[in-house]
Amino acid sequence: QQPVQSPQAVILREGEDAVINCSSSKALYSVHWYRQKHGEAPVFLMILLKGGEQKGHEKISASFNEKKQQSSLYLTASQLSYSGTYFCGTELRKTSYDKVIFGPGTSLSVIP
Amino acid sequence: SQTIHQWPATLVQPVGSPLSLECTVEGTSNPNLYWYRQAAGRGLQLLFYSVGIGQISSEVPQNLSASRPQDRQFILSSKKLLLSDSGFYLCAWSMGLAGVGEQFFGPGTRLTVL
Repeated sequence: QQPVQSPQAVILREGEDAVINCSSSKALYSVHWYRQKHGEAPVFLMILLKGGEQKGHEKISASFNEKKQQSSLYLTASQLSYSGTYFCGTELRKTSYDKVIFGPGTSLSVIP
Repeated sequence: SQTIHQWPATLVQPVGSPLSLECTVEGTSNPNLYWYRQAAGRGLQLLFYSVGIGQISSEVPQNLSASRPQDRQFILSSKKLLLSDSGFYLCAWSMGLAGVGEQFFGPGTRLTVL
């Protein structure tokens, strides 16, 4: 039950904002966000637990609507370093014996 | 501090040959360990995960297998590689104390099957 991400790809100019959406057909315990630059390993951005919290990380923040099983990643005043592929991952249960299933990714390109 | 190692970094193998990829974690105990595969331009596909020595959960049927002979060692193997096994293989670990938690990925192995 892979989560769905949208858009598939987005091109921004420096300073513009973007939103990446992640949705699941299953009730979720948490949503994870990672960024991967070309040829490198994914790097953790943040985890959102059910409870509808919103988190921030510099100019990158995210929200989690557990009723709709949706999460959104907000990139504000984008920088060239934000380029990469963003993956959301969903976790169904609060247990250490569980796993995260990642979405197909959203390619983000920031141009000068 | 914790570090995760994978080797080799790149590998070119003929179809039908065996495979062994190794992943080791330093600086932590009893981590959850994961193997992911990423085909070119695609997402992260979870292959196996392990919550302890000898405990392996398989996510997709395939000609790959995984083993965890030691607490911080995770091995991905195949007896006979297929063309479709080509991809970027990533090992990851997490503490899994309450939920999966943050995953730390290794540098990956780029496998090309010819």
